[in-house]
Amino acid sequence: AQKVTQAQTEISVVEKEDVTLDCVYETRDTTYYLFWYKQPPSGELVFLIRRNSFDEQNEISGRYSWNFQKSTSSFNFTITASQVVDSAVYFCALSDPYGGSQGNLIFGKGTKLSVKP
Amino acid sequence: EAGVVQSPRYKIIEKKQPVAFWCNPISGHNTLYWYRQNLGQGPELLIRYENEEAVDDSQLPKDRFSAERLKGVDSTLKIQPAELGDSAVYLCASSFSRDGADGGELFFGEGSRLTVL
Repeated sequence: AQKVTQAQTEISVVEKEDVTLDCVYETRDTTYYLFWYKQPPSGELVFLIRRNSFDEQNEISGRYSWNFQKSTSSFNFTITASQVVDSAVYFCALSDPYGGSQGNLIFGKGTKLSVKP
Repeated sequence: EAGVVQSPRYKIIEKKQPVAFWCNPISGHNTLYWYRQNLGQGPELLIRYENEEAVDDSQLPKDRFSAERLKGVDSTLKIQPAELGDSAVYLCASSFSRDGADGGELFFGEGSRLTVL
């Protein structure tokens, strides 16, 4: 069965601090996708990144970076120099593009990030 | 480009009453999803449509929930009768899937928050 674990329920940092959100996943599939979504107080889930299982290169986008390690089944997300606008709930998700439930995103429980000025 | 539109944003009803949620996906997106998000949890898939066909409704409680996607565009999710445990945010998402495979980005609406008293 597929599963996503985000062990950190809540994290609080002061502006300009770096913060890493952890994500550990379980799947028996060899082909899969991993995602991060941001959910601000408005409620809409905002797509941040998608990674396929064959691409372990780390990615950087501005202040955001992602570390994908298949050996530890982890897909961690780091925000550098955090800002108050980064305050939101962040979800890690997993999908199997070819299986019986293709397109179904399996979400973790989310990590609530609070960035204080 | 308009995003995924959902209505109503908020609904308060008494138990045993019926309720319906409407979703208009992004133009051109052939795949539509309904997710339910309980407080403090990640979203969970209820049903997925490919055009007008429900291809995954295994998580939909069929005794009280129903959904339709007429003409493969807009969709309606209905609960009748509602129970206290149905209080949640109901999220609609859409994507464009190709060749029977998915793994692409899901675009989410802002959700419909249901409170059952």
